[in-house]
Amino acid sequence: EAQVTQNPRYLITVTGKKLTVTCSQNMNHEYMSWYRQDPGLGLRQIYYSMNVEVTDKGDVPEGYKVSRKEKRNFPLILESPSPNQTSLYFCASSPDRARLTQPQHFGDGTRLSIL
Amino acid sequence: AQKVTQAQTEISVVEKEDVTLDCVYETRDTTYYLFWYKQPPSGELVFLIRRNSFDEQNEISGRYSWNFQKSTSSFNFTITASQVVDSAVYFCALSEASMNTGFQKLVFGTGTRLLVSP
Repeated sequence: EAQVTQNPRYLITVTGKKLTVTCSQNMNHEYMSWYRQDPGLGLRQIYYSMNVEVTDKGDVPEGYKVSRKEKRNFPLILESPSPNQTSLYFCASSPDRARLTQPQHFGDGTRLSIL
Repeated sequence: AQKVTQAQTEISVVEKEDVTLDCVYETRDTTYYLFWYKQPPSGELVFLIRRNSFDEQNEISGRYSWNFQKSTSSFNFTITASQVVDSAVYFCALSEASMNTGFQKLVFGTGTRLLVSP
């Protein structure tokens, strides 16, 4: 089954404790992306990756890091989480590269609470 | 700047009513793509439709229909005879080119919460 898998689905942690949210897709997609969803703000892009070792900032990259060492995986790293990063996070992938013509496949979301 | 506006924050209807969710976008691209996604209470994002800028035909899928009008930069979504299961947040999105790299990214509206009561 084609899917995007995020882990963990839920996490409560404390300020400053490094965490990683994993994202893996089994569709051999080149494009992957991270979004955060906040009330009243919709989904905003954090980082995206066009291919292995090719990443770029989205609209709200501050406080986040990503890596793309393999095509299937695109982890989101919070080196020193802060309460303003409490949010619902989505990973997505797409078969497209330069032009997003196809719908993105989304993971089920990760709800992070930073105390 | 390219953006997507969903002015309706929340809409409440009674089952069987028709409801239209508005989406207005801004872009300088001549070729672009628009999308609608549904987010039910369970939280996942479900793709509903994609429309490219060269195809202005309206589309109907069961009780769902979409009205794309380039002249008014709108891509509205209508649910006919709404049902309780239609209760969800609906997002409109536009693909745009990143100013940094020229690569495309998806820009979402802020969403419209639809509440359908029995």
